[in-house]
Amino acid sequence: DAGVIQSPRHEVTEMGQEVTLRCKPISGHNSLFWYRQTMMRGLELLIYFNNNVPIDDSGMPEDRFSAKMPNASFSTLKIQPSEPRDSAVYFCASSSLVTRGNEQFFGPGTRLTVL
Amino acid sequence: QKEVEQNSGPLSVPEGAIASLNCTYSDRGSQSFFWYRQYSGKSPELIMFIYSNGDKEDGRFTAQLNKASQYVSLLIRDSQPSDSATYLCAPSSGGSYIPTFGRGTSLIVHP
Repeated sequence: DAGVIQSPRHEVTEMGQEVTLRCKPISGHNSLFWYRQTMMRGLELLIYFNNNVPIDDSGMPEDRFSAKMPNASFSTLKIQPSEPRDSAVYFCASSSLVTRGNEQFFGPGTRLTVL
Repeated sequence: QKEVEQNSGPLSVPEGAIASLNCTYSDRGSQSFFWYRQYSGKSPELIMFIYSNGDKEDGRFTAQLNKASQYVSLLIRDSQPSDSATYLCAPSSGGSYIPTFGRGTSLIVHP
């Protein structure tokens, strides 16, 4: 299995630009998670989906952030407009089911730098 | 507000020693407890989970859970330089089973 795939791996953009991060979960997994990791705040859950439906987006910091999952094999996280404080590593993770003891598999992450 | 506290470290131990990583959590509803390892520049990977009070052993790793004290720990026996990484504690509450991650403890195992 290829694991969770994220693109791009690195993104450098200027403040005010739109940024779109992409994720392909592991085939057969029906839960998908978007995380943000910074030195200051650690690993934070932004949003998660079950069966392509957003379940909890309480971690999305502002309306500038939006996420979609149009089908079981693809999800996007969009930031519009981007700001320097959005600079972080964004991880996508997937799991087969949200149950006790269920493992989340993380993608390699997208390192975002907003100038 | 669910809080997960870990000493950021770094915790430095000699090769072959036992490394002890500790974590406390605020949510008494937590039922599952995960330990993830994250190498520098890489993504987190699960190494242990536990949901019953007591100890759970897997190879060189032992997870210990004390729900009354809201405390979970990870012991690494015969530490190797390849164990040098950040270890993230992640309890999850019973209703959602979604983990809340601590900020991690950096472990350095020196030869």
